[in-house]
Amino acid sequence: TQLLEQSPQFLSIQEGENLTVYCNSSSVFSSLQWYRQEPGEGPVLLVTVVTGGEVKKLKRLTFQFGDARKDSSLHITAAQPGDTGLYLCAGAQGGSEKLVFGKGTKLTVNP
Amino acid sequence: KAGVTQTPRYLIKTRGQQVTLSCSPISGHRSVSWYQQTPGQGLQFLFEYFSETQRNKGNFPGRFSGRQFSNSRSEMNVSTLELGDSALYLCASSFVQGRTEAFFGQGTRLTVV
Repeated sequence: TQLLEQSPQFLSIQEGENLTVYCNSSSVFSSLQWYRQEPGEGPVLLVTVVTGGEVKKLKRLTFQFGDARKDSSLHITAAQPGDTGLYLCAGAQGGSEKLVFGKGTKLTVNP
Repeated sequence: KAGVTQTPRYLIKTRGQQVTLSCSPISGHRSVSWYQQTPGQGLQFLFEYFSETQRNKGNFPGRFSGRQFSNSRSEMNVSTLELGDSALYLCASSFVQGRTEAFFGQGTRLTVV
């Protein structure tokens, strides 16, 4: 059973389009992170959300943590080819260093 | 500030052999975690070390082991390799206990033939 479900699994869009990626769970997390990973590289941390209902913006990326701290979304405005990659969400429970990862959304932005 | 360094980047081993992977965390980071990444299962937690002590362990067989040294550098070992152990092994370091923001290395790509 996957603790964190990400959807969609694959997404292929044209440059300039908007998109939203979802990360859902039945469990509560003390914090949730989003990472982006490019082929052959390790994941790179994009953002951490901690408070239920929190919204964080990183240029064209908007991250939201659900009120109940069980889900999160990532919205990209006017996607660019440089946004191509595997987007991973990861949740932490309590004070544990053990991060639980979703399987990721593979995004391709075509020029 | 140097990032997380993993060595080697690529490895090819034969079934039955053993392998040791190394990870040097970001300077000042004391927590090191290891993950296995495969296309089918995604990122799966192996274990986490803090101050030379294993604090958390994932659901992997005993063939997978690790340790952490006093300088926070960590190694993981896989004995009696199986074809299914082929994966990208990622190491992540964190600043302090309880901070779960992980900074990953580039990974070691292990291929078992």
